Amino acid sequence: SQQGEEDPQALSIQEGENATMNCSYKTSINNLQWYRQNSGRGLVHLILIRSNEREKHSGRLRVTLDTSKKSSSLLITASRAADTASYFCATDDRGGGADGLTFGKGTHLIIQP
Amino acid sequence: NAGVTQTPKFRVLKTGQSMTLLCAQDMNHEYMYWYRQDPGMGLRLIHYSVGEGTTAKGEVPDGYNVSRLKKQNFLLGLESAAPSQTSVYFCASSYPRRGQETQYFGPGTRLLVL
Repeated sequence: SQQGEEDPQALSIQEGENATMNCSYKTSINNLQWYRQNSGRGLVHLILIRSNEREKHSGRLRVTLDTSKKSSSLLITASRAADTASYFCATDDRGGGADGLTFGKGTHLIIQP
Repeated sequence: NAGVTQTPKFRVLKTGQSMTLLCAQDMNHEYMYWYRQDPGMGLRLIHYSVGEGTTAKGEVPDGYNVSRLKKQNFLLGLESAAPSQTSVYFCASSYPRRGQETQYFGPGTRLLVL
C-alpha cells in the first residue's frame, strides 16, 4: 500500500516562483526522502530527513518534517525550467532501507518559462 | 562508474511468454531492489535483496521471481507474462549504512505485454 501521499498531484508555476509540495504518511518512520523523476527517466535522490530532524536545507531545497502530523513538505525556491519533473516522497519504515522504501504517487511540477 | 544499469530498455511480450530483466551495479552496494511504476502511481516494491544469495518479497511479488547470484547483479524474471505486468520496471541499489540510505536508480525497463 502507498505510505506517502503527495499533495498537490500537479502544480504549475512561473519560473522564479517558489514551489511547495506536501507529503503525508501513515506509520512511524526512520527517515523520509524526496526523489525527482524527469520524464522517462529513473529517480534521482534529492534530500533525506531523519525522524529526529525538523528541517533540512540543500541548495534551493528546503524540507520540513512534522512527525506528530506525519507530514513533510518540500520547498523549491527560485524555480527554473529544469525543475520541471515529478517529485516523490519515500519513507523508510524500518531503518537502513533494507526492505525498500515506500513511495507516494508523486507531484508533477511544471515550471512555465 | 556506470552506476545502475538495466537491460533491456524496452520489450514487448505476448501473454504467456517469459523474460528476464537484468540489473547491474558497480558501486559495491549490498542492497538491491526491483520496483514497478504504473501510470500516475509511485513505485511499488516487487522483490529485494540484502546480499548475494539472498532475496525477499516486497509489496507486489506475485508473478515474479528474482535471483542474486552475484553481488553486482539482480535478475527479475517473469515466467508467464500477463497484461497486468505491463509497467515500467526500475532497479535500485543502496549501501547498508546509516547516512548512506540513498537509493540509486537505473533508467528503467519499459515492458508491454500484449
